[in-house]
Amino acid sequence: DAGVIQSPRHEVTEMGQEVTLRCKPISGHDYLFWYRQTMMRGLELLIYFNNNVPIDDSGMPEDRFSAKMPNASFSTLKIQPSEPRDSAVYFCASRTGGGNIQYFGAGTRLSVL
Amino acid sequence: ELKVEQNPLFLSMQEGKNYTIYCNYSTTSDRLYWYRQDPGKSLESLFVLLSNGAVKQEGRLMASLDTKARLSTLHITAAVHDLSATYFCAVDGADRGSTLGRLYFGRGTQLTVWP
Repeated sequence: DAGVIQSPRHEVTEMGQEVTLRCKPISGHDYLFWYRQTMMRGLELLIYFNNNVPIDDSGMPEDRFSAKMPNASFSTLKIQPSEPRDSAVYFCASRTGGGNIQYFGAGTRLSVL
Repeated sequence: ELKVEQNPLFLSMQEGKNYTIYCNYSTTSDRLYWYRQDPGKSLESLFVLLSNGAVKQEGRLMASLDTKARLSTLHITAAVHDLSATYFCAVDGADRGSTLGRLYFGRGTQLTVWP
């Protein structure tokens, strides 16, 4: 398996623009997690899905952030409008329902100027 | 909310030395994970500890879990430069015996091993 695939790997955008991050989980994994990593706050869980249904979105910073999982093999995290404080590395991870290990993607490094 | 505290947050050690990283957590979970992250890279699973007294070893790293003390340790034996990375512990937030939940991560321990 190719592992968790995220795109793009790097994104540079200007404040106010819409940003969409994409994630393809490992086939057969029915849990998907979105994390944000910054020096100040460490690794934060933003939202996670089980069988494409959002289970806990309490970590989503504000209404500018939204996440969807239209099917078992694809998820998006959207920021609209983006702000400089959204600059971070965003990771997607997945695991099976009975599995213990979360497998992480390579991450998307977002810079909002 | 479940709290996970790691210490130290920064560790600089000489090659050949031994050291221990500590991970304390605030719930009764008995599922704990250690991850490694190299600079600019993703997180890689190192160990999964699923019961009180669990001990796992891989090369120069050994992890253990004491659920009664709510403490896990990651012991480094005879450190080498290749071990330089950031190490995270993470605790499953689900109650003991229930289905797997979300993970709560510590802040990470940035380890630098120098000659």
